[in-house]
Amino acid sequence: NAGVTQTPKFQVLKTGQSMTLQCAQDMNHEYMSWYRQDPGMGLRLIHYSVGAGITDQGEVPNGYNVSRSTTEDFPLRLLSAAPSQTSVYFCASSSSSSGANVLTFGAGSRLTVL
Amino acid sequence: AQTVTQSQPEMSVQEAETVTLSCTYDTSESDYYLFWYKQPPSRQMILVIRQEAYKQQNATENRFSVNFQKAAKSFSLKISDSQLGDAAMYFCAYRSTEYGNKLVFGAGTILRVKS
Repeated sequence: NAGVTQTPKFQVLKTGQSMTLQCAQDMNHEYMSWYRQDPGMGLRLIHYSVGAGITDQGEVPNGYNVSRSTTEDFPLRLLSAAPSQTSVYFCASSSSSSGANVLTFGAGSRLTVL
Repeated sequence: AQTVTQSQPEMSVQEAETVTLSCTYDTSESDYYLFWYKQPPSRQMILVIRQEAYKQQNATENRFSVNFQKAAKSFSLKISDSQLGDAAMYFCAYRSTEYGNKLVFGAGTILRVKS
């Protein structure tokens, strides 16, 4: 019972490079989402998905891309990394998009952009 | 858009004492959910307690309880008999019942527990 698995846990990029943060869940959850955590700002929603083939923007989507081709996976792509994207990223999922469902979080990925 | 405000960046409590963390939120919805999450140094997000807005009774989980004041849009967390393991960042969060059911977080409160 792995829950929500994020890879990599740490990554250092140079400005302009692209990369993908992977997120996989084995709980058959419909709802998946990506957050970034910055000091003094809490966690902010980047993108979310209510099911395979359906994605939508959150509060801070610029510079990020997502897709949901399977129920299990929800990768987050940084198209051209910028120092402002230095942050800790969390993937979270729940069994449905109902507000009653509690989100299960991954362990987080720390990204540094030089 | 909904917002969540935690006005205490840091709090300290003596071991075995009680501490209350404050949270206020702004929304036009009548039905929603409120959460407190704990983030220890390991960075893992751990659910502490959940409150359903349509329930007037305050949620309780062992040493953790909330004071939910819907009219005042206030959702404070009380930790009784504080333990060293309670030291962490605590986030208050609001989950909408609108499409997307977005979870909106406050900025967090660092809780330090003194022995």
